[in-house]
Amino acid sequence: EVQLVESGGGLVQPGGSLRLSCAVSGFAFSYNAMSWVRQAPGKGLEWVSVVSGSGGSRHYADSVKGRFTISRDNSKNTLYLQMNSLRVEDTAVYYCAKDLRQGESHLGDFDNWGQGTLVTVSS
Amino acid sequence: EIVLTQSPATLSLSPGERATLSCRASQSVSNYLAWYQQKPGQAPRLLIFDASNRATGIPARFSGSGFGTDFTLTISSLEPEDFAVYYCQQRYDWPPWTFGQGTKVEIK
Repeated sequence: EVQLVESGGGLVQPGGSLRLSCAVSGFAFSYNAMSWVRQAPGKGLEWVSVVSGSGGSRHYADSVKGRFTISRDNSKNTLYLQMNSLRVEDTAVYYCAKDLRQGESHLGDFDNWGQGTLVTVSS
Repeated sequence: EIVLTQSPATLSLSPGERATLSCRASQSVSNYLAWYQQKPGQAPRLLIFDASNRATGIPARFSGSGFGTDFTLTISSLEPEDFAVYYCQQRYDWPPWTFGQGTKVEIK
C-alpha cells in the first residue's frame, strides 16, 4: 500500500522559515517524480513544485520561485520542501503527491497524496 | 499559464441523478486533463487522467470526455459518497500545472 506522510508544518512569523518532510512507503520512490501542492483555507488547489525521481530536475510555481527549495533523499524515501521568506499568503495545507507515471516524461498526474500538513504564516 | 474554468460552481442534485461537470481551458491542452475529487478534511483523489481514463479503483459511474479546450466529467448515478468538490487539472503546458477553481456537488 502506498503511503505518504507529511510533517513539519506549524505557525511561523512572516519572513521566517520552515522545512516540510514527506515520508513515503509502498512504491519504488526513486522511480517517480514528486510534487508539493498547497491549498489555502477554503480555497482551491495550487501546484507548488516538482522534483524528478533522480532529484536532478526541479521546477517551481512563480509564486514560490527563489524562496522555496524542493529536494529528495532517495536513500531515506523522503521528500522535502524548504520554505524561506514566508509570507502570509503562503498559509495553506501542503500536500505531497506522487506522480502517476515512472520516469522523467509525461508527468503531472498525481495518483497518491499525503494527508497534508498545515502551514500558518502570521505575526 | 493555462487557466481552467469550471462550471457550474455548485451543482445541487439528488442521489441517483446524473451529474455533468464542465472544465474549459484558456488554450488547448490536448487530452492532458485530469479530474480529482476532494471531500472535506481529505486529500484529493485522482479520478480520471488523460481526459477519459479512470484511475485505479475508480467506479465505472465516473467517466470523462473531451479534447482540446472543452472537457466533461460525468457521474452517471450519484451515490451518497459522491457529494464532494471536483477539480480539473492540466499537465499539457508547464510549469505550472494548473487546476480549475472547483465544482461543488451538493445534496439537493
